[in-house]
Amino acid sequence: DQQVKQNSPSLSVQEGRISILNCDYTNSMFDYFLWYKKYPAEGPTFLISISSIKDKNEDGRFTVFLNKSAKHLSLHIVPSQPGDSAVYFCAATNSGSARQLTFGSGTQLTVLP
Amino acid sequence: DAGITQSPRHKVTETGTPVTLRCHQTENHRYMYWYRQDPGHGLRLIHYSYGVKDTDKGEVSDGYSVSRSKTEDFLLTLESATSSQTSVYFCAISERSGGNYYNEQFFGPGTRLTVL
Repeated sequence: DQQVKQNSPSLSVQEGRISILNCDYTNSMFDYFLWYKKYPAEGPTFLISISSIKDKNEDGRFTVFLNKSAKHLSLHIVPSQPGDSAVYFCAATNSGSARQLTFGSGTQLTVLP
Repeated sequence: DAGITQSPRHKVTETGTPVTLRCHQTENHRYMYWYRQDPGHGLRLIHYSYGVKDTDKGEVSDGYSVSRSKTEDFLLTLESATSSQTSVYFCAISERSGGNYYNEQFFGPGTRLTVL
């Protein structure tokens, strides 16, 4: 039973437009959420995070939104650039769990020039 | 970039042979993790360590063991490799955290293991 779900395996957007990646979770004990970006043949790199006490966190072109009642978070990338093409993983953790992360299955984002 | 190396980066082995993967960090971080990445599953936690000689199981620990005799090294051993253990293995580290804040995990470059 996947506790973190990314239901869209892939997403294509035009350069300059907004990319929206979605993630759903089922475990109500999760209180911290992260997005990682992964290029081929490299390890995942941390992108942005949000605590459950917030509903939005912004860092440059990247914004993460959290809707606790819906157990849903989303990553917005504006404007999208070709270099953003990568696999994006959503991850969640409980602050009392030795920092273990539970990952979604990932979404392949392709930004078309 | 966090100082994390994994060795070997690629390995091909045969079913039934033991395999050890090494993760080495230069950041003196307390927590270390081993994940495997498979299509459709994202990254799944195998084992983790919260200090020297302190380890615990993750979601998919069957068939794997770990050891951490020094802060900087975390070893993952496949006792008797099977084809189902063909995967990409990632090591991650996390800084000592306190209170209610969380420090993100930093990942190594990965080891691609093929079991024939």
